[in-house]
Amino acid sequence: ETGVTQTPRHLVMGMTNKKSLKCEQHLGHNAMYWYKQSAKKPLELMFVYSLEERVENNSVPSRFSPECPNSSHLFLHLHTLQPEDSALYLCASSQGPAAYNEQFFGPGTRLTVL
Amino acid sequence: GENVEQHPSTLSVQEGDSAVIKCTYSDSASNYFPWYKQELGKGPQLIIDIRSNVGEKKDQRIAVTLNKTAKHFSLHITETQPEDSAVYFCASLENSGYALNFGKGTSLLVTP
Repeated sequence: ETGVTQTPRHLVMGMTNKKSLKCEQHLGHNAMYWYKQSAKKPLELMFVYSLEERVENNSVPSRFSPECPNSSHLFLHLHTLQPEDSALYLCASSQGPAAYNEQFFGPGTRLTVL
Repeated sequence: GENVEQHPSTLSVQEGDSAVIKCTYSDSASNYFPWYKQELGKGPQLIIDIRSNVGEKKDQRIAVTLNKTAKHFSLHITETQPEDSAVYFCASLENSGYALNFGKGTSLLVTP
């Protein structure tokens, strides 16, 4: 185990639903990330939080709303998603937000939007 | 943003053979190049990285080489084992310092 847990592991939702993905890290890190992993595409960085402050937002649609209440927890709130949002959503953490710090990934949440 | 091209997309080798995965990048200012391994049902895990001030780095059966002039870097796995079967991603560090630009991945299969 990497010390980063994600729940749920699988989620199926309709386009009108509201759901949340949860990530928790037990490594004492102070930076957390959300990535989207789609088949045949590179990992896409969505959000970066450092000390609970958002420091990067890569032009992600507003139907994805992140929340970082403390340095150990990260949420991704989902509403009115589209079928093309179906993907594996990965959470990661690192000691410091700079990308040259090793990022520890969780196992991901497999999201299917019907 | 930075464009990272990774080849091949799939690679099949016999146990004991070597495997080489190559990546090219476009931003000459990139200075950090990690490689991640993703096993089925798990998130990516860092296996080796290299910074631009060195040309080669080795860790047991894994090595990475970097050619800054040509803007390409490669992962070399020697004496492959079935447990090396996974998807491997290269990445480079973007200017902002927060974002890694990943390649599309190489699915490596090591057959006994």
